[in-house]
Amino acid sequence: KAGVTQTPRYLIKTRGQQVTLSCSPISGHRSVSWYQQTPGQGLQFLFEYFSETQRNKGNFPGRFSGRQFSNSRSEMNVSTLELGDSALYLCASMETQYFGPGTRLLVL
Amino acid sequence: ELKVEQNPLFLSMQEGKNYTIYCNYSTTSDRLYWYRQDPGKSLESLFVLLSNGAVKQEGRLMASLDTKARLSTLHITAAVHDLSATYFCAVDGASGSRLTFGEGTQLTVNP
Repeated sequence: KAGVTQTPRYLIKTRGQQVTLSCSPISGHRSVSWYQQTPGQGLQFLFEYFSETQRNKGNFPGRFSGRQFSNSRSEMNVSTLELGDSALYLCASMETQYFGPGTRLLVL
Repeated sequence: ELKVEQNPLFLSMQEGKNYTIYCNYSTTSDRLYWYRQDPGKSLESLFVLLSNGAVKQEGRLMASLDTKARLSTLHITAAVHDLSATYFCAVDGASGSRLTFGEGTQLTVNP
């Protein structure tokens, strides 16, 4: 089985822009969770989707949003980027045992 | 609010030595996970512990869970340089797949 895939792997944006990240879970898995990792705050839960429904949401501002499609692929969007949004964004598939390679976002 | 604490946060050890990383959590949990992260990389799943008294071993790593004490340990036996990485424990305190992570233990194994 193919693993969890995330695109893009690296991204550079400037403050005020918006960004969309994509995650495809392992085939047949319906749950996708998103996490943000920064040196200062560590690993923090963003949100979880199951069968196209948001099931849990972490304590992030409304600039962070997500959705899941019928094929279980998920996207997260960050609008009006701030410097502090620079981070490694990880998604996990099914039971959170399997993490994708991550998207490293740098906001300048 | 679920809190997860690891100690130590930094661990430097010599090859061949044994050591234990501790993970304490604040509320009842269904599952506890251990992950490894190499610099610049994603999280690699090491163990999932599902019940009180669970013990799992893989190579030089052994993890255990005491749900009554809300404590998990990751024991390293006869460390080798390849084990150098950051180790995270994470707890699932609610239904669904929401994990709360510890701060991570940065392990350096010196020759």
